Amino acid sequence: AQSVTQLDSHVSVSEGTPVLLRCNYSSSYSPSLFWYVQHPNKGLQLLLKYTSAATLVKGINGFEAEFKKSETSFHLTKPSAHMSDAAEYFCVVSGPGRRALTFGSGTRLQVQP
Amino acid sequence: DGGITQSPKYLFRKEGQNVTLSCEQNLNHDAMYWYRQDPGQGLRLIYYSQIVNDFQKGDIAEGYSVSREKKESFPLTVTSAQKNPTAFYLCASSFQGWEYGYTFGSGTRLTVV
Repeated sequence: AQSVTQLDSHVSVSEGTPVLLRCNYSSSYSPSLFWYVQHPNKGLQLLLKYTSAATLVKGINGFEAEFKKSETSFHLTKPSAHMSDAAEYFCVVSGPGRRALTFGSGTRLQVQP
Repeated sequence: DGGITQSPKYLFRKEGQNVTLSCEQNLNHDAMYWYRQDPGQGLRLIYYSQIVNDFQKGDIAEGYSVSREKKESFPLTVTSAQKNPTAFYLCASSFQGWEYGYTFGSGTRLTVV
């Protein structure tokens, strides 16, 4: 069985400060892991994905995530937040035999001016 | 440009009515998915289809039906048996294989009036 837990439902940062969105996963196999972003009333956009290559994954808009097998974590980071980063972020896991992606419950990121 | 199109963007349903949500993709993806999104609950899988003329129930299929007569199309019908249909519905598609991420449509917001 696979599952993913996003540790914070809401995160608030000031513009220009670092962003950290936390995600822990559970998987019987070496999983694929994804981060998606959703702006209000929009579909989801893929930010980045990990598929057993480099453990530090770079995505779009300056985001990156590090796969840490020993900690079963896949936290999303960005060095400097921008107002346009305000959105909901989903951590997602998949793996062999899994019929579809499993989504976390989401983290809403607020960026204060 | 390739993409995935959901229509309509907003839909209102009266009690006891069936309604059909459209999802079309021109990405040549084999697999298509329907998710339901409620506040604070992430995305929950309704139905998925990995090939034409075949589809499988997801975690919350009761009160919904689908068809997959063409590779490009995967319409979702919300029937009167669905007791709480007000939600944001997202369609997605992908290539076969658990390591691939999804491409999402922009969603349909369904409201029961």
